[in-house]
Amino acid sequence: AQSVTQLDSQVPVFEEAPVELRCNYSSSVSVYLFWYVQYPNQGLQLLLKYLSGSTLVESINGFEAEFNKSQTSFHLRKPSVHISDTAEYFCAVSSGGYNKLIFGAGTRLAVHP
Amino acid sequence: EAQVTQNPRYLITVTGKKLTVTCSQNMNHEYMSWYRQDPGLGLRQIYYSMNVEVTDKGDVPEGYKVSRKEKRNFPLILESPSPNQTSLYFCASSLTGAAYNEQFFGPGTRLTVL
Repeated sequence: AQSVTQLDSQVPVFEEAPVELRCNYSSSVSVYLFWYVQYPNQGLQLLLKYLSGSTLVESINGFEAEFNKSQTSFHLRKPSVHISDTAEYFCAVSSGGYNKLIFGAGTRLAVHP
Repeated sequence: EAQVTQNPRYLITVTGKKLTVTCSQNMNHEYMSWYRQDPGLGLRQIYYSMNVEVTDKGDVPEGYKVSRKEKRNFPLILESPSPNQTSLYFCASSLTGAAYNEQFFGPGTRLTVL
C-alpha cells in the first residue's frame, strides 16, 4: 500500500530565509508526485507536480521540488520565503489504475516578519 | 471561470438528520471525488466516480453515499450523520481518471455534527 510521510507538522521561518518541507513516500510501483498548497480558509491548489522526465520541477512562485527515486523523497524548497507563503502544504502521490491521491498529514509553514 | 463549487460552505447539524452536500464542476471533467480532511491525517478519499453512473468506494466510505447522474454534479449524502463525521470535506475533479491528471478542488464544506 502507498503512504506519504511529511516529516514536519509545523515549520516556523523568518521572512527571506530558505525553507525545505520534507516528504517521503512508499510505493512499489511508479508514482506521480504532487505538492498542493492550502491557504487559510481555502481549498487546495496545485503547487507543482512530477510526472516524468527532469527530476527537478518548479512552480511559478519560486518553489521547487526534486524527485529522488533512490530515497523515495520529493522535498519542497524555496530559497527565500515571503509572508504570503504562510499556508499548509500537502505532499501527495498517485499511481495505478485511477486518480486516487494519497496525502501526507500536511506541513504548516508559518513565515514571520 | 473554471471551478469546482460546493454548498453549503458551513453546516451544523444534529445526529441522525440526513443531509446532502452538493458539488458541481464546469470543466466537463469525467472524474470526481470526495475527500475528508482531519487534523494530523491529511485528506482521505471517501468516494470517487470515473464517469456518469460509475461510482466506487475510497478509503473511508462508511456512513456516506454518492450519486453521479449528471457529469457536472457529484453530491455527497450522509443518511444518518454521527459526530465522528464532523470534518472538512472537499470535492475534487480531474479531466479523466488517469493517475497523472491534476485534481481541482472545491473550497470545502465544514460540517459539524452535534
